[in-house]
Amino acid sequence: AQSVTQLGSHVSVSEGALVLLRCNYSSSVPPYLFWYVQYPNQGLQLLLKYTTGATLVKGINGFEAEFKKSETSFHLTKPSAHMSDAAEYFCAVSLNDMRFGAGTRLTVKP
Amino acid sequence: NAGVMQNPRHLVRRRGQEARLRCSPMKGHSHVYWYRQLPEEGLKFMVYLQKENIIDESGMPKERFSAEFPKEGPSILRIQQVVRGDSAAYFCASSPPDAGGAMFAGELFFGEGSRLTVL
Repeated sequence: AQSVTQLGSHVSVSEGALVLLRCNYSSSVPPYLFWYVQYPNQGLQLLLKYTTGATLVKGINGFEAEFKKSETSFHLTKPSAHMSDAAEYFCAVSLNDMRFGAGTRLTVKP
Repeated sequence: NAGVMQNPRHLVRRRGQEARLRCSPMKGHSHVYWYRQLPEEGLKFMVYLQKENIIDESGMPKERFSAEFPKEGPSILRIQQVVRGDSAAYFCASSPPDAGGAMFAGELFFGEGSRLTVL
């Protein structure tokens, strides 16, 4: 069965700094991988996804993630944080069903 | 094109009462999924339904919880005899019928959630 681990339940960065949110997965075969964002009192929105093809995936709001099979990772990055990026971010892995990580809460300091 | 609609957004129940949460998927979507989110935890899969069929309910407690997705009308998640531990946000998601061969190969579109508080 597949699983996903998000390292760090809380990440704090300064506005303009690099954002790095870590996600590692466990799966017997290469899964589909997703990052979702949740703003307060809202549902989840898809940021980006990897299914097949290019391992560097670009998403909305300047985010991107790279699938590294050798490291079983799918870390989310953004070169320059904006105040509006403050939210909870969930990594998810899909094989026979979709499993979500526990989430990482991103805080952006002015 | 309306997104996934959930209601009520907030529901307060006393212990022992019943809670009914409704979810209307996006237009054209025939797959519905229910997840539960507890504070400081991720989303826990509960049940996956297609019209008139429960495909996978492996994440749903065996007692007091049930779900349906009738031919007409919204999907309903029903919790009988609620207890304090049922307090959580319940999210519904939907996906189109061509989501792919694997059950969750495609993107899930989420509603804004129903927040249940049990007093």
